[in-house]
Amino acid sequence: AQRVTQPEKLLSVFKGAPVELKCNYSYSGSPELFWYVQYSRQRLQLLLRHISRESIKGFTADLNKGETSFHLKKPFAQEEDSAMYYCALGGSSNTGKLIFGQGTTLQVKP
Amino acid sequence: GAGVSQSPRYKVAKRGQDVALRCDPISGHVSLFWYQQALGQGPEFLTYFQNEAQLDKSGLPSDRFFAERPEGSVSTLKIQRTQQEDSAVYLCASSTGVGNTIYFGEGSWLTVV
Repeated sequence: AQRVTQPEKLLSVFKGAPVELKCNYSYSGSPELFWYVQYSRQRLQLLLRHISRESIKGFTADLNKGETSFHLKKPFAQEEDSAMYYCALGGSSNTGKLIFGQGTTLQVKP
Repeated sequence: GAGVSQSPRYKVAKRGQDVALRCDPISGHVSLFWYQQALGQGPEFLTYFQNEAQLDKSGLPSDRFFAERPEGSVSTLKIQRTQQEDSAVYLCASSTGVGNTIYFGEGSWLTVV
């Protein structure tokens, strides 16, 4: 079955500390992985996708097929990074639909 | 408009009422999705349209849920005889096509009392 697991509901760090938001997936084919972010009172928006291999707002994520993981990392957290982060899995159909994890709230304290 | 627009933003329905939620996708976007997001959960896929064709409705939880997109633009998600477990945020999203970036609306918050 296709599934995305985000084991942490809440991650709280101090400003300037490194951040790692965990994401594991279950998928038998060739996955497409995404990170979406939802800032307070804003809509869900794409943060990054693994195929583009780019860094957005200092965040990076590497697809590890051996560990079936796609953890999101940032070396130095900023207060404006506080938001809800969702890992999502795609590529399973010809529709492009996404399967989301339950989300992790990142709280960056001053 | 600049983004995916949904209405109403908030809806309170009495149990047993029918509700209709509207989605205006980004102009020219072929693909349209509906997701349901319960409190504390991630969005869950409901249904997908490519233009006016509903190609995937595997996520609709029961036959009380119905979606349409008759002219390939605006879409309506209808829930008949609402029940308390239908309380959730209903998200609409659109994209230019399969594999392209999916843009989400702000959601319609449905509370069934």
